[in-house]
Amino acid sequence: AQTVTQSQPEMSVQEAETVTLSCTYDTSESDYYLFWYKQPPSRQMILVIRQEAYKQQNATENRFSVNFQKAAKSFSLKISDSQLGDAAMYFCAVKDDKIIFGKGTRLHILP
Amino acid sequence: GAGVSQTPSNKVTEKGKYVELRCDPISGHTALYWYRQSLGQGPEFLIYFQGTGAADDSGLPNDRFFAVRPEGSVSTLKIQRTERGDSAVYLCASSLGPSLEAFFGQGTRLTVV
Repeated sequence: AQTVTQSQPEMSVQEAETVTLSCTYDTSESDYYLFWYKQPPSRQMILVIRQEAYKQQNATENRFSVNFQKAAKSFSLKISDSQLGDAAMYFCAVKDDKIIFGKGTRLHILP
Repeated sequence: GAGVSQTPSNKVTEKGKYVELRCDPISGHTALYWYRQSLGQGPEFLIYFQGTGAADDSGLPNDRFFAVRPEGSVSTLKIQRTERGDSAVYLCASSLGPSLEAFFGQGTRLTVV
């Protein structure tokens, strides 16, 4: 069975600084995908970034990047130049067919 | 439509009643997922459809919960004899294929009183 662990229930970062959200996962599949989703108070789940497990290169999407360590089953999200609009719940997820989510990290941005 | 549509956006029902929650996925998306999200928690997997068939229903909590997708597009999540513990946001998502990212609707907030 797939599991996802996010060990940081809440984090805070000063505006314009960098923050890293942690995620570890477990899956028995060899072919899978990893995602970070953002959920603001509107409760709309928004895809932030995705990573194919077969790719060694870490995905990057503007200010968002990941550190994917396949052997360690670790998939952390780095947000650079944090902005007030980044404040939200962030969920790490693993997908082979169904998607399994972690419990989330609430990110606060301090002005 | 442009995105995944879920109706109603809010539903209040009395304990013991039957409810149906509807999900209209993005046109052409073959995979459809249902999740339940309690306050402050991550989405909990319920069921996954590939086309018309339920590929994985291992997350349905008990036999009061059932979901259908008869024509491979719209899906309905059905809850019988609702209980107060069923109160949550029910999220639906769809994807073009099992290996691609899922797009989510805004959810239905179900409150059982």
